[in-house]
Amino acid sequence: GQNIDQPTEMTATEGAIVQINCTYQTSGFNGLFWYQQHAGEAPTFLSYNVLDGLEEKGRFSSFLSRSKGYSYLLLKELQMKDSASYLCAAPNQGGKLIFGQGTELSVKP
Amino acid sequence: DVKVTQSSRYLVKRTGEKVFLECVQDMDHENMFWYRQDPGLGLRLIYFSYDVKMKEKGDIPEGYSVSREKKERFSLILESASTNQTSMYLCASGLGSEQFFGPGTRLTVL
Repeated sequence: GQNIDQPTEMTATEGAIVQINCTYQTSGFNGLFWYQQHAGEAPTFLSYNVLDGLEEKGRFSSFLSRSKGYSYLLLKELQMKDSASYLCAAPNQGGKLIFGQGTELSVKP
Repeated sequence: DVKVTQSSRYLVKRTGEKVFLECVQDMDHENMFWYRQDPGLGLRLIYFSYDVKMKEKGDIPEGYSVSREKKERFSLILESASTNQTSMYLCASGLGSEQFFGPGTRLTVL
């Protein structure tokens, strides 16, 4: 079957580092996506990992381990505007994206 | 920049009304998708299309239909709206696996 699991919510402090984990089970592997979604807005693309390892993009990094079916999104130097829902998603062999429930991140001052 | 637009940001309809949600993309993408998003349930795929006049059911197609007469336009139709179709509806388009989302339509059915 296909399944994406991530924590429902997390809280962190402004300026800190937070790691949002995602485990996945998909039929075949075609990469893993992270999207950011602010309340009332559409999801926006953050990262796409196909190979194992860490990919850094400014304050955001994404890690993938295909053998473990595991990914995480790392947010550094947290800002208040980072408060949002973070969606983990993986495409199945039919090309459809399977989304996790999303992790609601609250950044406190 | 990829642009995906949806006809309305907010919509209020009555039970039993026929509702059309329009989505247009300007990047010549072949793949287009309709999702609904509800608290605690995440994004759920309603229908998708990989080409003009082609449609495939997603995970929750009941109560919905779609139309793709032109490559850039993908319409979601609620034949007879019901209160349990009150939701945020998100359209997406893409090439390969990556998807670009429209701003969403928050539909309320009274």
